[in-house]
Amino acid sequence: DIVMTQSPTSMSISVGDRVTMNCKASQNVGSNVDWYQQKTGQSPKLLIYKASNRYTGVPDRFTGSGSGTDFTFTISNMQAEDLAVYYCMQSNSYPRTFGGGTKLELK
Amino acid sequence: EVQLVESGGGLVQPGRSLKLSCAASGFTFSNYYMAWVRQAPKKGLEWVATISTSGSRTYYPDSVKGRFTISRDNAKSSLYLQMNSLKSEDTATYYCARPTIAAISTPFAYWGQGTLVTVSS
Repeated sequence: DIVMTQSPTSMSISVGDRVTMNCKASQNVGSNVDWYQQKTGQSPKLLIYKASNRYTGVPDRFTGSGSGTDFTFTISNMQAEDLAVYYCMQSNSYPRTFGGGTKLELK
Repeated sequence: EVQLVESGGGLVQPGRSLKLSCAASGFTFSNYYMAWVRQAPKKGLEWVATISTSGSRTYYPDSVKGRFTISRDNAKSSLYLQMNSLKSEDTATYYCARPTIAAISTPFAYWGQGTLVTVSS
């Protein structure tokens, strides 16, 4: 199985910060990585698919990049409503596997 | 509007069975792969199963293979997850999920609100 390792596991941030988190795959997954946001008490929400494609309606402060084994997710201008846990998931092969998540908290 | 509504969760003893349902509306259900994703309390997301449009192909991780069965009834726009030989580690909120467009299996653009399954004696 492909292991997706997210880092850091948590971040203390301020509104307006640029936030960057990483996801490393244990083997080459091409560009087949998606990013999800999950706010407390809510279902996950798709933000980025195939590494760098912003899903419909997602603000452009959210961006994704990478290919192969190393992927990055960035929030360019952190807003209070962006407080959440962010997960990467590889969709290159079965079984689909998620990273452990990166939790954003207010400093 | 796409809607996915899960049901069937509850408290069940270890070793017993439970069947979850997901009622879909707002789209042509038969055109879409569907999936189940679960989340243990205060833990991360875990993909549980995917089924093709016709139901002829199904996929599972080793953690549930042989115990869980995903199925669908396209005439009823419904997705199911039959869970047998339940273990305490199956305790989780189970989400029904649909991909962005027809005929692909990911990414998951639509999610239900989830149904909680608790496995405990």
